[in-house]
Amino acid sequence: AQKVTQAQTEISVVEKEDVTLDCVYETRDTTYYLFWYKQPPSGELVFLIRRNSFDEQNEISGRYSWNFQKSTSSFNFTITASQVVDSAVYFCALSANYGGSQGNLIFGKGTKLSVKP
Amino acid sequence: NAGVTQTPKFRILKIGQSMTLQCTQDMNHNYMYWYRQDPGMGLKLIYYSVGAGITDKGEVPNGYNVSRSTTEDFPLRLELAAPSQTSVYFCASSYSNRLTDTYEQYFGPGTRLTVT
Repeated sequence: AQKVTQAQTEISVVEKEDVTLDCVYETRDTTYYLFWYKQPPSGELVFLIRRNSFDEQNEISGRYSWNFQKSTSSFNFTITASQVVDSAVYFCALSANYGGSQGNLIFGKGTKLSVKP
Repeated sequence: NAGVTQTPKFRILKIGQSMTLQCTQDMNHNYMYWYRQDPGMGLKLIYYSVGAGITDKGEVPNGYNVSRSTTEDFPLRLELAAPSQTSVYFCASSYSNRLTDTYEQYFGPGTRLTVT
């Protein structure tokens, strides 16, 4: 079965702190993709990153970085020097071979990040 | 590019009523999806479509129907609304090269539906 677990339901930090959001996944597929999405208080879902199972290089984009480790089935997301605008719910998702379609996603339950000034 | 648009933004239905949630994308994506998001939960797939004329069930299809007559539109129909269908509904689209690659999905702004 395919599954995504985001064990941290809520995290609260003070501005400028670094914060890591954990994501652990389960799949039997050898080819799969992992994603992170941000859902700010306004409610829309914003795509952040896509990573395929053959690329274990860490990625950095500004204050955001992602650590993908196949050995532990984890795809963690770190925000450096957090800002109030980072306050949102963050979802990790795994591509699922559902009914023969590779495009469907299994989402975790999300981690709500609150950054206080 | 408007991206993915959804109407209406909000709706209140009485138990037993029916309605259609509209979804349109202008990115020429072949794949489209409907999800529901219940409070404090992630998104669950209701139905998806890999192209015009082709639809299939996701994880939670009961009580819903879809059609895909064009590449751009993917309406979701609720028949005989029930309180359990109170949720936020998101439509999404993505490109696919029909091989093993999976690309990111782009989401609409959501429809907040309450059934009382």
